[in-house]
Amino acid sequence: SAVISQKPSRDICQRGTSLTIQCQVDSQVTMMFWYRQQPGQSLTLIATANQGSEATYESGFVIDKFPISRPNLTFSTLTVSNMSPEDSSIYLCSVGLGQAGNTIYFGEGSWLTVV
Amino acid sequence: AQRVTQPEKLLSVFKGAPVELKCNYSYSGSPELFWYVQYSRQRLQLLLRHISRESIKGFTADLNKGETSFHLKKPFAQEEDSAMYYCALNPGNTGKLIFGQGTTLQVKP
Repeated sequence: SAVISQKPSRDICQRGTSLTIQCQVDSQVTMMFWYRQQPGQSLTLIATANQGSEATYESGFVIDKFPISRPNLTFSTLTVSNMSPEDSSIYLCSVGLGQAGNTIYFGEGSWLTVV
Repeated sequence: AQRVTQPEKLLSVFKGAPVELKCNYSYSGSPELFWYVQYSRQRLQLLLRHISRESIKGFTADLNKGETSFHLKKPFAQEEDSAMYYCALNPGNTGKLIFGQGTTLQVKP
């Protein structure tokens, strides 16, 4: 497995501000992803963080709202921009390990509350 | 369409009773399926992968392609099994997991 660290673990944010979440992995990984878990809901994939190129976003998510960086194979950031109360969620970083990256592990999540 | 369905939002059983958490999937190719568990205030943890056919914490899951199911089973539930359980599909080994809605397992003493 891998050790996946996320910062911050929790934050309360003002409406209209932006917050950047960091994800650090203790080994180089090819696959890195960001998910959102809204209150009482399941996990939804936001985007794939691609090293050295722009992230690939899923339907319903756009770069202006969720800019992602991936400067190397161990680190990524997700920014939640111009936040509104609807953005209150847990944001999770995940990585793919093993043969063909077929085992996916998750960070502890970053719990954001927008007031 | 690619989809994972967990029909039960809540499953409540008594300690020592058998448990079966249902998961059905919709996928045209050969499925790669997982069970994840989330204990209260803890991170999402990988419980089982169908390709490894392992038993973790007494849980097993068998892929049934005919019924497109990957149900999670345990013969004797323990109180510490109380948690949220998610079934997930990894389509085409992309790592882009599709999750079911989750089932809360409540094991009563």
